[in-house]
Amino acid sequence: GAVVSQHPSWVICKSGTSVKIECRSLDFQATTMFWYRQFPKQSLMLMATSNEGSKATYEQGVEKDKFLINHASLTLSTLTVTSAHPEDSSFYICSARTGSNQPQHFGDGTRLSIL
Amino acid sequence: DAKTTQPNSMESNEEEPVHLPCNHSTISGTDYIHWYRQLPSQGPEYVIHGLTSNVNNRMASLAIAEDRKSSTLILHRATLRDAAVYYCILDAGNNRKLIWGLGTSLAVNP
Repeated sequence: GAVVSQHPSWVICKSGTSVKIECRSLDFQATTMFWYRQFPKQSLMLMATSNEGSKATYEQGVEKDKFLINHASLTLSTLTVTSAHPEDSSFYICSARTGSNQPQHFGDGTRLSIL
Repeated sequence: DAKTTQPNSMESNEEEPVHLPCNHSTISGTDYIHWYRQLPSQGPEYVIHGLTSNVNNRMASLAIAEDRKSSTLILHRATLRDAAVYYCILDAGNNRKLIWGLGTSLAVNP
């Protein structure tokens, strides 16, 4: 159980394109979802935390107008990278959990490459 | 923000036990200790978590020091599939910022 599906697995697109990444909890309802970014050989960096039906809470330094997060239901959250540029190229990972003090369950990540 | 410190890397032989340490001297009373592991180009995988008492599950055991300022993840018999980066993080469950360190890269020798 506790499966999180993230789609797409990888994206290659031109600079200026907007890219949407989906994160779904397949067999549980996620009260909270997290979005992370990970650069090569570095650790996970939390970008934002979202609760169903509420606006996402962004970490310092993360532009909310560039990284749009929508958590429309208890099983789906989306991250849209608007007008992506090469510096946005990274590995984006989502996670979800059923409640506070519960473990996070992660998607397999999305490799984003902006040309 | 709670932080943890772990050795950069460790090495083990297959079928031997592995003890992965984590220091969290600034832990607060509401922080749970979570362990995850990550293979290259994959999302992290949950391993185990606990608050005060030692915990066991099918993957591993978690030994928590009495003062909670450190913990140890125990893999009872390492396999090649256990080679990964292991992260220890503190989570108070209140959506306070979760800080991930660089973790411990575990190599398992056949």
